[in-house]
Amino acid sequence: NAGVTQTPKFQVLKTGQSMTLQCAQDMNHEYMSWYRQDPGMGLRLIHYSVGAGITDQGEVPNGYNVSRSTTEDFPLRLLSAAPSQTSVYFCASSYHRDNKAQYFGPGTRLLVL
Amino acid sequence: ELKVEQNPLFLSMQEGKNYTIYCNYSTTSDRLYWYRQDPGKSLESLFVLLSNGAVKQEGRLMASLDTKARLSTLHITAAVHDLSATYFCAVDERGNNDMRFGAGTRLTVKP
Repeated sequence: NAGVTQTPKFQVLKTGQSMTLQCAQDMNHEYMSWYRQDPGMGLRLIHYSVGAGITDQGEVPNGYNVSRSTTEDFPLRLLSAAPSQTSVYFCASSYHRDNKAQYFGPGTRLLVL
Repeated sequence: ELKVEQNPLFLSMQEGKNYTIYCNYSTTSDRLYWYRQDPGKSLESLFVLLSNGAVKQEGRLMASLDTKARLSTLHITAAVHDLSATYFCAVDERGNNDMRFGAGTRLTVKP
């Protein structure tokens, strides 16, 4: 199993550009989530999904969209990038919503100029 | 609103010593998770605590959960350099699919 994969590893954007961060898992996990990690602030939940076709907002959803058309894939879209979205983004998955011991992807480092 | 507080945020230890990291949270929950993150790396799951009084141990680390006190502890026994990392607790609010992480405890173990 590849586990949780994320692409790209690094990305530089200009303010106002849009992009999609890709996330995929091959463990047939029900629960998937996106976090951003900023220095001194731990991880903050952006969006999550409890199954294909079901998504919901986390703590910091503004400026981001998600969709879950398949169990495996959970892309994160930045609609119009802002410098405040400079961060490290982690995708994670867990087998079930009632036990969210999550497997994390390697992360995407995003710089918005 | 669910809040998760860890302390200390920074911890410098001598090898061979014991110490405890604390994780307090603000709402009803009986599901708490501990993760480890090495510098520049992703997060790795350490412990899953799913009921009041749960205790899990792995090597020199032991985690416990007291849901009445809304407190989890991560105890380090006879620290070694390889334990140097940042440790996060995360809480899963009951009846809610949201997850909240603490700010993390950066542990440095010195020889």
